[in-house]
Amino acid sequence: DVKVTQSSRYLVKRTGEKVFLECVQDMDHENMFWYRQDPGLGLRLIYFSYDVKMKEKGDIPEGYSVSREKKERFSLILESASTNQTSMYLCASSLGTGELFFGEGSRLTVL
Amino acid sequence: GQSLEQPSEVTAVEGAIVQINCTYQTSGFYGLSWYQQHDGGAPTFLSYNALDGLEETGRFSSFLSRSDSYGYLLLQELQMKDSASYFCASSKAAGNKLTFGGGTRVLVKP
Repeated sequence: DVKVTQSSRYLVKRTGEKVFLECVQDMDHENMFWYRQDPGLGLRLIYFSYDVKMKEKGDIPEGYSVSREKKERFSLILESASTNQTSMYLCASSLGTGELFFGEGSRLTVL
Repeated sequence: GQSLEQPSEVTAVEGAIVQINCTYQTSGFYGLSWYQQHDGGAPTFLSYNALDGLEETGRFSSFLSRSDSYGYLLLQELQMKDSASYFCASSKAAGNKLTFGGGTRVLVKP
């Protein structure tokens, strides 16, 4: 079975803390993505990666960075968390066919 | 830029048919995907259209008209378990970067 695993389902952090969200896929997919989901706004792309050590900005990259040291792992980093980064974060991977496989999501609350 | 418009909410009864429309403005448009998301769950892939026309997968069908920048998802023989949010998403020719619409919440009533 296809599997995208996100390290934490729920996190609570304080303003200014550094936050790491980890994502691992077991499908040998080239492409990996980080989206955030907010009510009424759908899913918005933060960063994506087409290969190891490669990254490209999505639509809302400000305040975020990513790391892809291994093909199966794509990490999202919030260098200094702020309250407007409270959201649901979704990781996904794909082969490039229009079909994304999503993880279960990480709900981050920044106090 | 890119944008996709879809209705925010649709209500229907069991057994009915629902059509969710999606209009898009996407430079370098390559294809249109549809995803289903139940409350608290992850989005799951339903269908993908790269060519004009209708794609049928069981009770769900998806349609694309590239000349009209328009597509729809058709849900037939609605069941209670179909209550969920449905998202259209466009992909660009350059790769599989998907841009999502705001989602349509479908509520199925007995």
